Amino acid sequence: GAVVSQHPSWVICKSGTSVKIECRSLDFQATTMFWYRQFPKQSLMLMATSNEGSKATYEQGVEKDKFLINHASLTLSTLTVTSAHPEDSSFYICSARGGSARGGYTFGSGTRLTVV
Amino acid sequence: QQQVKQSPQSLIVQKGGISIINCAYENTAFDYFPWYQQFPGKGPALLIAIRPDVSEKKEGRFTISFNKSAKQFSLHIMDSQPGDSATYFCAASIDSGTYKYIFGTGTRLKVLA
Repeated sequence: GAVVSQHPSWVICKSGTSVKIECRSLDFQATTMFWYRQFPKQSLMLMATSNEGSKATYEQGVEKDKFLINHASLTLSTLTVTSAHPEDSSFYICSARGGSARGGYTFGSGTRLTVV
Repeated sequence: QQQVKQSPQSLIVQKGGISIINCAYENTAFDYFPWYQQFPGKGPALLIAIRPDVSEKKEGRFTISFNKSAKQFSLHIMDSQPGDSATYFCAASIDSGTYKYIFGTGTRLKVLA
């Protein structure tokens, strides 16, 4: 199998609040999950890599305390945007490695976050 | 060294025409080169991928051409259709270790009916 469910698909939150985004591999165990951020009409920028049971590895320039990643099981990774601000508004996409997906990766359908 | 340069930024093609998107990389350690298609508000979906041991790979209307010496690869979409209108991303990775993808900047393709 190779299905990744990302939830919610969109969320609007007030500035200063925190938002959690879930990424679940539905029919396979994901050894590694990745979190990307995409601004309108721009490329996907890798934010962090997470392996089950260990701390996430963040890319340079990504604030660890701002974007909390938890990979508590082989089927679930969460991204929490803490104390969100309007500049955090973006499209967040997860991908999971494992399963029978072509190329070994499956991307979630993304979460549109709008901070007002 | 970690960048993947993609061109053009946008492309308009008539129905039935050939769409060509190019990418170039610097890191010779990259050994896996996928192309992804993304529709607005959706996650990317794998189209086709190639490894450096072959110079061309074809799947249906999609062909990847790979030039190892020039460190370039391209996507050709034959008989382009309006349904192909989307954003296309090339990517590169080292298929071991962290398996991280480095994405190109994207090409917005519009196929006119």
